[in-house]
Amino acid sequence: RKEVEQDPGPFNVPEGATVAFNCTYSNSASQSFFWYRQDCRKEPKLLMSVYSSGNEDGRFTAQLNRASQYISLLIRDSKLSDSATYLCVVNTRGGSYIPTFGRGTSLIVHP
Amino acid sequence: DGGITQSPKYLFRKEGQNVTLSCEQNLNHDAMYWYRQDPGQGLRLIYYSQIVNDFQKGDIAEGYSVSREKKESFPLTVTSAQKNPTAFYLCASSTGQVGNTEAFFGQGTRLTVV
Repeated sequence: RKEVEQDPGPFNVPEGATVAFNCTYSNSASQSFFWYRQDCRKEPKLLMSVYSSGNEDGRFTAQLNRASQYISLLIRDSKLSDSATYLCVVNTRGGSYIPTFGRGTSLIVHP
Repeated sequence: DGGITQSPKYLFRKEGQNVTLSCEQNLNHDAMYWYRQDPGQGLRLIYYSQIVNDFQKGDIAEGYSVSREKKESFPLTVTSAQKNPTAFYLCASSTGQVGNTEAFFGQGTRLTVV
């Protein structure tokens, strides 16, 4: 079983749609959780951290469920510019921060 | 501006040659990481370093080597022992502390074996 698993998609949605991605992790000792965005042929960039209480940043909402070991990202009112790959990142080593990545979920927003 | 710089952006290598990818950061981060990304795949950890003069193998270290002689620098050598080196290589750094500390990435190096 991979440490961090994501549905690769692609998710193909119209502008204005709401779309949700899930990510599961295997190490129950994981302590830090993030969503990164990666555009084609570019480096990943932090989209948002994920906190235990859940957090929101504009159209983006992240949730963490420690009991079930999954993380979610909700994007409301999708824009064409949201088209990218979304990477789930988890600290899996415990005691030190070593980012472990899911393979990413591809999102395509069309007019 | 603080950041992390990788060079070169594109690199072509003949089979049997060793090549070294540069990674420099001026963020005063203790931890640095090297990842490999293949098309349609996630990032796989090659090596990481949490402190100067110390580094650890990641999940796919075979055929690669690193050094960490300075806090700012973490070069990666792709040796001739790496059988399939063509990939996108990403260097990252972070404070290395437990907690919600993000990793910052360089722009990456695209290595092609010709």
